[in-house]
Amino acid sequence: DIQMTQSPSSLSASVGDRVTITCQASQDISNYLNWYQQKSGRAPKLLIYDASNLETGVPSRFSGSGSGTDFTFTISSLQPEDIATYYCQQYDNLWTFGQGTKVEIK
Amino acid sequence: EVQLVESGGGLVKPGGSLRLSCAASGFSFSSYSMNWVRQAPGKGLEWISSISSSGSYIYYADSLKGRFTISRDNAKNSLYLQMNSLRAEDTAVYYCARDPPSVYWGQGTLVTVSS
Repeated sequence: DIQMTQSPSSLSASVGDRVTITCQASQDISNYLNWYQQKSGRAPKLLIYDASNLETGVPSRFSGSGSGTDFTFTISSLQPEDIATYYCQQYDNLWTFGQGTKVEIK
Repeated sequence: EVQLVESGGGLVKPGGSLRLSCAASGFSFSSYSMNWVRQAPGKGLEWISSISSSGSYIYYADSLKGRFTISRDNAKNSLYLQMNSLRAEDTAVYYCARDPPSVYWGQGTLVTVSS
């Protein structure tokens, strides 16, 4: 089974700050990685697919990078509406999710 | 527009059974593998099962220990999850989700296991 280690588990940042979340796979998953945003009581929303591709309609302040085992998700300028929990997901071999990162406004 | 609509959740006693359904529309259902993912209250996302487009290949998370069965009916554009021997720790929102490319999720259905 592929394990996904996501960090940090939570963070607090100011509006306008750059926010970075990392995800590490237990084995090479190429670029088979998605990033999701989940707001309270809602289904996850796909933001980034194939590690670095922005889903249609998603603001350009969201970005992703990486391949192999190490991946990064960035919000270039945090906005109040970005308050949510973010998850990485590998789909190279079935699905595995990271533990999630709760993003709050300082 | 792609839509996935889950149904069948509710309150069930420990040891009971429940069958979830997921109605798909807006895409060629028979061309995609499908998945069930659950989220316990206040917890993260947990993949629990996957079924290939034809239904020939089925996979489960080890944590289920053979209690759940995934199936699909391509003629009805529907995905199912039969859940038996339910436990309190199975309490969660259950989502159906389409495989990539472009992962789509339903809105989820809440399953509560309690006496």
